[in-house]
Amino acid sequence: DGGITQSPKYLFRKEGQNVTLSCEQNLNHDAMYWYRQDPGQGLRLIYYSQIVNDFQKGDIAEGYSVSREKKESFPLTVTSAQKNPTAFYLCASSMGDIPTEAFFGQGTRLTVV
Amino acid sequence: AQSVTQLGSHVSVSEGALVLLRCNYSSSVPPYLFWYVQYPNQGLQLLLKYTTGATLVKGINGFEAEFKKSETSFHLTKPSAHMSDAAEYFCAVSANTNAGKSTFGDGTTLTVKP
Repeated sequence: DGGITQSPKYLFRKEGQNVTLSCEQNLNHDAMYWYRQDPGQGLRLIYYSQIVNDFQKGDIAEGYSVSREKKESFPLTVTSAQKNPTAFYLCASSMGDIPTEAFFGQGTRLTVV
Repeated sequence: AQSVTQLGSHVSVSEGALVLLRCNYSSSVPPYLFWYVQYPNQGLQLLLKYTTGATLVKGINGFEAEFKKSETSFHLTKPSAHMSDAAEYFCAVSANTNAGKSTFGDGTTLTVKP
């Protein structure tokens, strides 16, 4: 079945460590996104990519980095510079060239202790 | 610029009652509008969308929404709530063809009482 796979579902890290969240899609979508979700704050866009080897900052990019070396993959690294990294992270993709919905992964819950 | 306001962070209804979740948007260009549902610790799933054409759109699980340009609203309704409708609902607006790069509301948690 086609879809978006995020791994792992739960992740624990010590403060000061970088951590990379995986996102893979087999929908042949051009565009991919990373959102952060905190209680009562909806979804906030971290980074997005509309084509391989290109990506743009979203609203809250500070302390995060991404790469888009393959169409199927869009990993997110949460760096030690992110002051409050504990959150639920959602990856999404869309066709990108026509008005259509985004497809979401199941999310990764990151807890930094 | 675009924004979304969902009125009411929590809505509670009885099973079988009407569900009404409110969404107002702001967009400088014709909007594309979406409603998503999220169950605990899961991703978002599309309920319905408005892009162009008919202003009353029907979605999955018996939900529908009406785009009212004059009121800048896109409220979500369902005639009869089921227990399985309990979830968090997000309204989103996109002002270009890249629907994934949407602006989301803060969400409304729907509780369904037996």
